Amino acid sequence: DTEVTQTPKHLVMGMTNKKSLKCEQHMGHRAMYWYKQKAKKPPELMFVYSYEKLSINESVPSRFSPECPNSSLLNLHLHALQPEDSALYLCATSAGGSEQYFGPGTRLTVT
Amino acid sequence: GQNIDQPTEMTATEGAIVQINCTYQTSGFNGLFWYQQHAGEAPTFLSYNVLDGLEEKGRFSSFLSRSKGYSYLLLKELQMKDSASYLCAAERNYGQNFVFGPGTRLSVLP
Repeated sequence: DTEVTQTPKHLVMGMTNKKSLKCEQHMGHRAMYWYKQKAKKPPELMFVYSYEKLSINESVPSRFSPECPNSSLLNLHLHALQPEDSALYLCATSAGGSEQYFGPGTRLTVT
Repeated sequence: GQNIDQPTEMTATEGAIVQINCTYQTSGFNGLFWYQQHAGEAPTFLSYNVLDGLEEKGRFSSFLSRSKGYSYLLLKELQMKDSASYLCAAERNYGQNFVFGPGTRLSVLP
């Protein structure tokens, strides 16, 4: 199984809402990542989890809160977002020192 | 700091060969990835170079020179479906961090 799944595919939320993005993998990869990608821009790394522990937070605002409940799941909790947070949010996994497998992404629109 | 550079856009003809260059300056460098990304889709893996030299995989080849901080992706026998963005990404600290270049938008014309 070389698939990374993400739900939902699309999400529209207001600035006062609380929502969560979910990512799941069954490849046994130890590293999991959240990226944010704006249109016509490359992915920007947000968070890295290694062995279920947060290892990198790229100065992401606290309105984004990651969580890794177990080795297969990665969540991104969203609260009080701004319209400029609208983007494609990509989850990726890696065995470390090898390629990243990307999920299909969640297209988020903040109104 | 981290700096990765690629040309913004390139155009080529179906059946031709195109080379997309990538230069990088980054600490903790481990290897260089190339990804293809079609509009609205997630990036998909093309190649990974750790050692200097050329890696060939079908119509796609990738080259790395660690001393020069330089890589290129070579696409042969271009097809219309190769129209996409091509992203180079520097792997840092053995997978702890990835830094993507700005991407090169390739248009393949008939």
